[in-house]
Amino acid sequence: DGGITQSPKYLFRKEGQNVTLSCEQNLNHDAMYWYRQDPGQGLRLIYYSQIVNDFQKGDIAEGYSVSREKKESFPLTVTSAQKNPTAFYLCASSKKGTAQTSTDTQYFGPGTRLTVL
Amino acid sequence: AQSVAQPEDQVNVAEGNPLTVKCTYSVSGNPYLFWYVQYPNRGLQFLLKYITGDNLVKGSYGFEAEFNKSQTSFHLKKPSALVSDSALYFCAVRDPNSGYSTLTFGKGTMLLVSP
Repeated sequence: DGGITQSPKYLFRKEGQNVTLSCEQNLNHDAMYWYRQDPGQGLRLIYYSQIVNDFQKGDIAEGYSVSREKKESFPLTVTSAQKNPTAFYLCASSKKGTAQTSTDTQYFGPGTRLTVL
Repeated sequence: AQSVAQPEDQVNVAEGNPLTVKCTYSVSGNPYLFWYVQYPNRGLQFLLKYITGDNLVKGSYGFEAEFNKSQTSFHLKKPSALVSDSALYFCAVRDPNSGYSTLTFGKGTMLLVSP
């Protein structure tokens, strides 16, 4: 987990509220990712960013938004449009990005567990 | 499209015995393959990866994995299991020849090592 921090560790949200999950890395990595983990479903990609001020939708982007204003930061907002947001959210980063020839390893933060009340 | 399958939801092994966690993949070309481990309420930790070269890859904590192109498999192995190896293990694949440039993860296999 070293080098990537996520906060808060636990987050509780009321229905209809937007919440923002923080992800910061000090590894000088270009690419950052957000995944959602549900029991028995593995990891599903929400958004990813290869470079500052650029990001792409992953497999399950609906109801989520991101920004990449700084290289070290990639916050994720879970909006009220996300119908089932209760899950474990994982942020990751890799050195050179998601170019097709990249062999880079993704490194993960400790995660944020979001619960909707 | 790229996909990965972990056919076992759970693997049980006694401490000291060898362990194998299975992974098969589907890609159009030569894959990049990764194994990660996750302890409860923690992020994923990188164990090892195969890019090219020797089919047997050695990684962290005594784990190794064997790439088998003909069987499209990348099974994770360890000669002697420890109770502390009990965790959730994920296999992931990237197809560098496809238009999809990120990792696809399997659903995970829970490894339980009994004393």
